[in-house]
Amino acid sequence: GQQLNQSPQSMFIQEGEDVSMNCTSSSIFNTWLWYKQDPGEGPVLLIALYKAGELTSNGRLTAQFGITRKDSFLNISASIPSDVGIYFCAGQNYGGSQGNLIFGKGTKLSVKP
Amino acid sequence: EAGVTQFPSHSVIEKGQTVTLRCDPISGHDNLYWYRRVMGKEIKFLLHFVKESKQDESGMPNNRFLAERTGGTYSTLKVQPAELEDSGVYFCASSGRTGSLSGYTFGSGTRLTVV
Repeated sequence: GQQLNQSPQSMFIQEGEDVSMNCTSSSIFNTWLWYKQDPGEGPVLLIALYKAGELTSNGRLTAQFGITRKDSFLNISASIPSDVGIYFCAGQNYGGSQGNLIFGKGTKLSVKP
Repeated sequence: EAGVTQFPSHSVIEKGQTVTLRCDPISGHDNLYWYRRVMGKEIKFLLHFVKESKQDESGMPNNRFLAERTGGTYSTLKVQPAELEDSGVYFCASSGRTGSLSGYTFGSGTRLTVV
């Protein structure tokens, strides 16, 4: 089945640093999403991307949908302690069942004050 | 509005026992999804209900898993008999419109441990 390769697997950074993570796939997706999961909670949608090449910002977060529709990145600028958590990319199967998301394995972010 | 509620939050059972997980979606949401994350791996789709009907159950691992949504409100996911590899976090999500990803809300999950 379709898979997303998300990297890095984990990151340990200093407060104030910028963060970058990405996802790639061998298959095309028509929608890319980035979620954040806090401990003991479910994933929360951060950014949704619907068009190839689209660059979208949400506060200190910026994400882009690759031109080939096979990749996406998420940047976090000036990290703060509450950015700690697991970040997941997800793609929607092109032509597949609506709502059936394919997730990456996640990037665990740790921020040192 | 209340979010997606899952019960229990944690469950520890012995191999061979039965466990039933429950999900209460956001009121009025027709679409209900079950996902599972095994430790260190990706979150994987299990199945999708539209009201009380199973729209897509292609992600269900095997026939030990049974999902129901009687009356199109809350849903249950039963694992019988549980095996060690069933351990993981089971997430439920709901949305009002099919394909509405911005309105796709996840519950906090049920952490299942099979020993």
